[in-house]
Amino acid sequence: GAVVSQHPSRVICKSGTSVKIECRSLDFQATTMFWYRQFPKQSLMLMATSNEGSKATYEQGVEKDKFLINHASLTLSTLTVTSAHPEDSSFYICSALADNEQFFGPGTRLTVL
Amino acid sequence: AQTVTQSQPEMSVQEAETVTLSCTYDTSESDYYLFWYKQPPSRQMILVIRQEAYKQQNATENRFSVNFQKAAKSFSLKISDSQLGDAAMYFCAYRRGSWGKLQFGAGTQVVVTP
Repeated sequence: GAVVSQHPSRVICKSGTSVKIECRSLDFQATTMFWYRQFPKQSLMLMATSNEGSKATYEQGVEKDKFLINHASLTLSTLTVTSAHPEDSSFYICSALADNEQFFGPGTRLTVL
Repeated sequence: AQTVTQSQPEMSVQEAETVTLSCTYDTSESDYYLFWYKQPPSRQMILVIRQEAYKQQNATENRFSVNFQKAAKSFSLKISDSQLGDAAMYFCAYRRGSWGKLQFGAGTQVVVTP
């Protein structure tokens, strides 16, 4: 199956700093990628849909100025958490759409101190 | 709006036994897909099984099978001959059409006891 990678796998940062998370489709091209957030023992919550070459579509209640998404190529989408605060600490998962199926990355654990 | 409901927070099953996870959904669409995903402790999401709404035949993947009741909007997952490696969180998900976004249920934690 198709492989999606995320980098970094975990990151710890200080409050007020920005953190960038990369999502790559390794062996296929993906015009559409998705970003999810998952709190402990909860389900995945879709944050935004990332389309190559165009602006991301954010879900209701997600601050687009805080969670910047860039999908500059067919294999890379990035999520930047700007001015991170402790409440942004979570598990972030990306997925890439291909062949009528979503392939998920392994996730990134963000801890904001 | 579409919603996906999983009413069982946790299910326990003994090795080699069978467990059934329930899922109901609400939609007015005719073209949609339903999925079961497994999330083990590693938190990597793994597709278990997929069902196209237009197909009447229930999907099967080895020890995993679904009971798709379209009129009742029910989509249960049966795990047969349960193994220790089946222990994970299982999410039911809905997608409108071929390219829509996934909507996940709350999840059911499956515990497998020796």
